[in-house]
Amino acid sequence: QKEVEQDPGPLSVPEGAIVSLNCTYSNSAFQYFMWYRQYSRKGPELLMYTYSSGNKEDGRFTAQVDKSSKYISLFIRDSQPSDSATYLCAMSDDVGGGGNKLTFGTGTQLKVEL
Amino acid sequence: DSGVTQTPKHLITATGQRVTLRCSPRSGDLSVYWYQQSLDQGLQFLIQYYNGEERAKGNILERFSAQQFPDLHSELNLSSLELGDSALYFCASSPQAGGYGYTFGSGTRLTVV
Repeated sequence: QKEVEQDPGPLSVPEGAIVSLNCTYSNSAFQYFMWYRQYSRKGPELLMYTYSSGNKEDGRFTAQVDKSSKYISLFIRDSQPSDSATYLCAMSDDVGGGGNKLTFGTGTQLKVEL
Repeated sequence: DSGVTQTPKHLITATGQRVTLRCSPRSGDLSVYWYQQSLDQGLQFLIQYYNGEERAKGNILERFSAQQFPDLHSELNLSSLELGDSALYFCASSPQAGGYGYTFGSGTRLTVV
C-alpha cells in the first residue's frame, strides 16, 4: 500500500464549477501538507502549503487538512479552463535542516471544459 | 521559466548504457533535489544535496549516483540502464536544506530502448 493515495481521475468539470481534490495518507508522522499543480510537459509548481490540521485559503483555492482522518483536500472555486492540469498532493514529516523529503501522491488530472 | 535548468530535455538510449542528467538550481538556492516520475509510481524522491553535501536519500538504486559541484550545479548519473528506468527525472531547488518551497525544473525525459 502506498503512503499517499490519490484518485488519478481524469476529472472533467464545466467552467465555473467547484472542484474537490483529495488525498489520503497512512503515515501519522506527516505534519506538512502541500498541493502542487503540474501542466503538461512542465515541472510541478507549489500552489498551497499547510502545517498540521486546519484550513488555508488563497484566492480561489482552499486547502483543508484533517489529521484525525488522515485526509487532505484542495477546493477550487469558479474553476477556469486554465486550471486544467494535474494536481499533486505532497507531504512531509520534517521540513527542517536535517533533510527534506516530500512524499507525493500520483496526481489527479483535471480538465475544466468551456 | 522557473529558474531551474535541466539538460537535456529528452534522452533516448539503449539498455546497459550510462547517462548523465544535469541540473542548474535557481540563483541563490543551495539545495538540489532529484525526483523520478513514472506513470504508475508518481513522483519518487531520489536524493537531496545541500551546498555540496548529501543531505537526504530516498529509494535511489545503487546504479544511480549524484553529486553537487562547488558552483552548485548537480548531476545525476544513471548506469546499466534498464527499460524500467524510462521516466521523467525532475530536479528541484530550494534556498536552504529544509523548507517546503521547492522550485522544479521542466524535467528530462529518459527513454531506454
